[in-house]
Amino acid sequence: QVQLVESGGGVVQPGRSLRLTCAASGFTFSSYAMHWVRQAPGKGLEWVAVTSFDGRKTYYADSVKGRFTLSRDNSGNTLYLQMSSLRAEDTAVYYCARDLNDRGYFDYWGPGTLVTVSS
Amino acid sequence: IVMTQSPAILSVSAGERATLSCRASQSVSSNLAWYQQRLGQGPRLLIYGASTRAPGIPARFSGSGSGTEFTLTISSLQSEDFAVYYCQQYNNWPPRYTFGPGTKVDIK
Repeated sequence: QVQLVESGGGVVQPGRSLRLTCAASGFTFSSYAMHWVRQAPGKGLEWVAVTSFDGRKTYYADSVKGRFTLSRDNSGNTLYLQMSSLRAEDTAVYYCARDLNDRGYFDYWGPGTLVTVSS
Repeated sequence: IVMTQSPAILSVSAGERATLSCRASQSVSSNLAWYQQRLGQGPRLLIYGASTRAPGIPARFSGSGSGTEFTLTISSLQSEDFAVYYCQQYNNWPPRYTFGPGTKVDIK
């Protein structure tokens, strides 16, 4: 069965960096575009970034562009989100999600990992 | 594209019909998805293409609409349906996907 498991969250000071990891299993990872979506505590969902199936194309929300870098390792079935220059407003649960038909909607989500940016 | 949803909270009894609305600030054609999020869980895809049920989703969930006005209907609420529901547009290129603020379906 399809599984996505995020890790790497924690408490980090403003201005510092953190790398999130999403381990995928149960499907052919290299065939799917993958996304990160975040949810601030008690708030709604915000799309963060997407990478194409082969990692050649990535796109970012304006709120993270220039600070976050999305990459993937298809040989290891792993998705990464390198976050730098973190701000308090980046505090959220971060979900990785699979793109069902390479169209921009998400059929499988992980349980999420919490990132707290605080001094 | 800004997405709005109404109502913010919908109080419904089990077995009743629930109708949730979603509006886009400009046309998104049929590029609209609905998700359910239960407390403490990740979202679950219900509908894509405005009206196509995702695999494994019960027939009591249905979606309609196009352009700027969309509706999610749950024909007969079950206990497991009490959750928050989000709409999401995926019409932009390059991607600038946006979600609505959500509708919480509460037990009346």
